[in-house]
Amino acid sequence: QVQLQESGPGLVQPSGTLSLTCAVSGGSISSRNWWSWVRQSPGKGLEWIAEIYHSGGINYNPSLRSRVTISVDKSKNQFSLKLSSVTAADTAVYYCAREVVTTMTTFWFDPWGQGILVTVSS
Amino acid sequence: QSVLTQPPSVSGAPGQRVTISCTGSSSNIGAGYDVHWYQQLPGTAPKLLMFGNTNRPSGVPDRFSGSKSGTSASLAITGLQAEDEADYYCQSYDSSLSGFVLFGGGTKLTVL
Repeated sequence: QVQLQESGPGLVQPSGTLSLTCAVSGGSISSRNWWSWVRQSPGKGLEWIAEIYHSGGINYNPSLRSRVTISVDKSKNQFSLKLSSVTAADTAVYYCAREVVTTMTTFWFDPWGQGILVTVSS
Repeated sequence: QSVLTQPPSVSGAPGQRVTISCTGSSSNIGAGYDVHWYQQLPGTAPKLLMFGNTNRPSGVPDRFSGSKSGTSASLAITGLQAEDEADYYCQSYDSSLSGFVLFGGGTKLTVL
């Protein structure tokens, strides 16, 4: 079955750029799914960040749009997240997840990666 | 504050039935969009628990059930077990400008 694994630095300097990659195994990133990033601040709930389709479709959370870039590398079967101008408020566990889409308005996240804690601190 | 409102916590004794509500508005649940539920055990990633309001993925016990009515959805757990202690999140689509992927604020289930 499809498995996802996040990777990247666990510590980012304030005002720097957070860069994460999600490796997809057990399936193709070019399948009929979207791929998303979701984060969870310590002790808080889930916040969707962005999604991407292998052919280039992209959507961002409006509240983060100005700082977020999501991309896909089909040759490596992975997708990535960049979040610029980070502050302590961006400290969170970042999850990547596959979006199972049945219609434009009906989609859910399954499976999820195990998550990676990214701390913004000097 | 999340657009999908969940109670911060619920509790129940082993064997009992508990429900977790997820209240939205006319731009999400009330517009007919489906609700999905996730279970997050302590220290782990969220796991899909229910999709399309009432459908359980393979492997999810039938003690878990979902429903939706009007602007709200509910997750019911019967025959509560200690292993059910977790955080539960609802998720839906929203047609407003605030963004179309919505999660509820989460509910902490404590098994007494």
